[in-house]
Order: sequence, then structure tokens, then C-alpha cells
Amino acid sequence: NAGVTQTPKFQVLKTGQSMTLQCAQDMNHNSMYWYRQDPGMGLRLIYYSASEGTTDKGEVPNGYNVSRLNKREFSLRLESAAPSQTSVYFCASSDLVASDYRVVKTQYFGPGTRLLVL
Amino acid sequence: DQQVKQNSPSLSVQEGRISILNCDYTNSMFDYFLWYKKYPAEGPTFLISISSIKDKNEDGRFTVFLNKSAKHLSLHIVPSQPGDSAVYFCAAEGSGTYKYIFGTGTRLKVLA
Repeated sequence: NAGVTQTPKFQVLKTGQSMTLQCAQDMNHNSMYWYRQDPGMGLRLIYYSASEGTTDKGEVPNGYNVSRLNKREFSLRLESAAPSQTSVYFCASSDLVASDYRVVKTQYFGPGTRLLVL
Repeated sequence: DQQVKQNSPSLSVQEGRISILNCDYTNSMFDYFLWYKKYPAEGPTFLISISSIKDKNEDGRFTVFLNKSAKHLSLHIVPSQPGDSAVYFCAAEGSGTYKYIFGTGTRLKVLA
């Protein structure tokens, strides 16, 4: 049981290049998320997928596209990388748990992909 | 506009003493709050949570307090251990949206 896995761990791109960050989870979770973490900014939601076949924009979706390939996999694509997209990217998945008379989602994060755009 | 704020970027505490990490929020629609812990080169891991119908939740050495009128929550770690040294993020979720807003994090260093 690997949890949430991300590939690659580290990538260097030149401005204008494209790439896809891969994420997979083996916990049979319905929801998956992509975040970016920048110094002094915390984690910001880029896109999320509440269930297979659906995707929605988060706080900072510009410059990114996503694909929920199946229940396990959720990829993030940068079509034309920019230096402002230099960041650490985290994928997460979540399941529903009952907590204090309501349903909540507990997120499980992958180890991250460190991206440098020159 | 930062809806979830952690105003202390760093905190140093002696081993065995109490660590108190603070978090403030501005959106009164938030009704579920979480704390995550993050070690370098790893993803955040869930630590403890609290819903707005409670003002306190405990799990071993970790206690989260919620003051809704002040829109403030805090994480207490007692006693602090060197292995607790990490970055701690608070996060908030509103009304079943399942989207979490994270604070900027506080780096805790527990000195042996």
C-alpha cells in the first residue's frame, strides 16, 4: 500500500516547455487534488477532482490543465512553463469520514514534485 | 487576501515544554479546521482536526482549541519532543465544500 505517489520527484524546465506531473493513489479514494507550495504562501489549491470524470478549478488554476484519467490517477499539465510556476507541487487524495455529526474529508498527500522553470 | 493566517513563521521551544502554534481566520463560513505537519522533502500529514461545534479536541500530546468568536485556533503540544520539529500548517474548510484553505505555516524547532 503505497498511498499517494508522484512522479517525477524533481524536474528542470526551460520557459515555454511543457510537461505532465503524474499522481496515483491506491486507497480507492474518490477525490484528488493538486496544490502548489511557495515560500510564505502556504499550500494553494490548483485543481481538484471530486470524483472520477469531474474536475474543478481551485484558487490558482491559470497556466495548468488536469486530467482525471481514472479513479487512481490525476495528472497536472503545464502547457507552456513560466518561471512563476517554479514551485513544489503536491498531489493529495481524500475519503469521507464522519466527524461530529457531519462528513468531512481527510486528505493524504504525496511526497511532492519540485519544479524549477528557468 | 489571506483567509487563514499563521502570523508566526517560526517558533523554538525547549524539549519537554509546551509548544503553542496559533492560527487566525477571517471567513465566518469556515466550520472545520485541521492541522497538518510537514517534514522536509515529504508531503504534509494530517495531525488533528476540530469542527465548529467543539472548542477543544485532544489526541495524545496534541490538543487543538477553537475560539469561534475570536476566529482563532491554536495547537498545543505537550510535552514537546525533538521529533516534533517540523512545519505546521493549519487549514480551514467551509460548509462541506471539501476545499481547504491553508495558512502559510509555522516552523517549530524543539531544542534537546
